[in-house]
Amino acid sequence: DQQVKQNSPSLSVQEGRISILNCDYTNSMFDYFLWYKKYPAEGPTFLISISSIKDKNEDGRFTVFLNKSAKHLSLHIVPSQPGDSAVYFCAASATAYTGNQFYFGTGTSLTVIP
Amino acid sequence: GAGVSQTPSNKVTEKGKYVELRCDPISGHTALYWYRQSLGQGPEFLIYFQGTGAADDSGLPNDRFFAVRPEGSVSTLKIQRTERGDSAVYLCASGTSGGAADTQYFGPGTRLTVL
Repeated sequence: DQQVKQNSPSLSVQEGRISILNCDYTNSMFDYFLWYKKYPAEGPTFLISISSIKDKNEDGRFTVFLNKSAKHLSLHIVPSQPGDSAVYFCAASATAYTGNQFYFGTGTSLTVIP
Repeated sequence: GAGVSQTPSNKVTEKGKYVELRCDPISGHTALYWYRQSLGQGPEFLIYFQGTGAADDSGLPNDRFFAVRPEGSVSTLKIQRTERGDSAVYLCASGTSGGAADTQYFGPGTRLTVL
């Protein structure tokens, strides 16, 4: 069963606007979350992470929000740039139980239109 | 410095054959992970090494899959009696410590096609 879900397979955004990518999870034991970015023919690249003790983490243009009660996290990219066009995966881990196993969503393909 | 490299980049084989996929992690990284990514899916955990030992192999789908890391550096994922359902991109990642918050650096993957 898919414990991490990204229900939007694709998203298109104008350059300069905000991109919001969403992720839902089902396992309440998950306490560490990451976002990865993937370009074609390359491996995923780590983007940003958040621990369950926080509800927000910001790094430059990228901010991740965590809503534990809703089991939902989102990645905001502001302002969006054409180079942000890629597939974005969210991943989660239950660090106290299976700390080295990350469960990935199916990805959202972001296209930033110049 | 050099990132994670994987060879071959593409492998086509016939059903029932044996294949080996190689991963060269970032120098000095003690943690090494193998994932499998099927079409339209996210990466799926297979196995995690800390040094030479497999610390967690719970993601290996069955006993046709086996991985080794004899000297704590290069790792080989071995698949016996390949099946068409094994077709996927096999990703390797390495990390400095293997802790839950350890950033995993991924290689470009090996695309395996079983005919």
